[in-house]
Amino acid sequence: AQKVTQAQTEISVVEKEDVTLDCVYETRDTTYYLFWYKQPPSGELVFLIRRNSFDEQNEISGRYSWNFQKSTSSFNFTITASQVVDSAVYFCALGSYNNNDMRFGAGTRLTVKP
Amino acid sequence: EAGVAQSPRYKIIEKRQSVAFWCNPISGHATLYWYQQILGQGPKLLIQFQNNGVVDDSQLPKDRFSAERLKGVDSTLKIQPAKLEDSAVYLCASSLGFRAEKLFFGSGTQLSVL
Repeated sequence: AQKVTQAQTEISVVEKEDVTLDCVYETRDTTYYLFWYKQPPSGELVFLIRRNSFDEQNEISGRYSWNFQKSTSSFNFTITASQVVDSAVYFCALGSYNNNDMRFGAGTRLTVKP
Repeated sequence: EAGVAQSPRYKIIEKRQSVAFWCNPISGHATLYWYQQILGQGPKLLIQFQNNGVVDDSQLPKDRFSAERLKGVDSTLKIQPAKLEDSAVYLCASSLGFRAEKLFFGSGTQLSVL
């Protein structure tokens, strides 16, 4: 069975602080995909990143970076120099290559205070 | 490029009433998904269509929920009769392909069952 755990329910930081959102997953598939989505107050989930299970390279996109470690089944997301506009709920998701069983974690609500 | 369109944005009904939601995916996207997001939880897949065929409806409560995607374009999700526990945001998403693709989400329909 596929499962995604986001242990941090809520995080609050002050602007310009760095923050890391944790994601741990469980799967028996050898080929799978990991995602991060952002859900701002407007409600629409916005795609941030997709990684496949064979690519463990860390990725950086502006202030965002992702650390994928297969050994610990984790796909953590770091925001550097956080801004108020980063305030949102962030979801980690796990997708199976064999079907489209896309499982979302419960989400982490990030509040960035000015 | 137009995004995923959903209507209505909000709906309030009494238990045992019926309700329908509409979704128009991004043009050219073969796959359409309906997710249920209960407050404080991650989205849960209800049904997935590829073109106008159902790929996965294993988590759809078929005694009260139904969905269709006529002509492989837009889709409707119906609840009849509604229960209190159906109160949630119903999200529609679409993707170009089938296997663990990047999903594009609509803004959702927030349903309150009283």
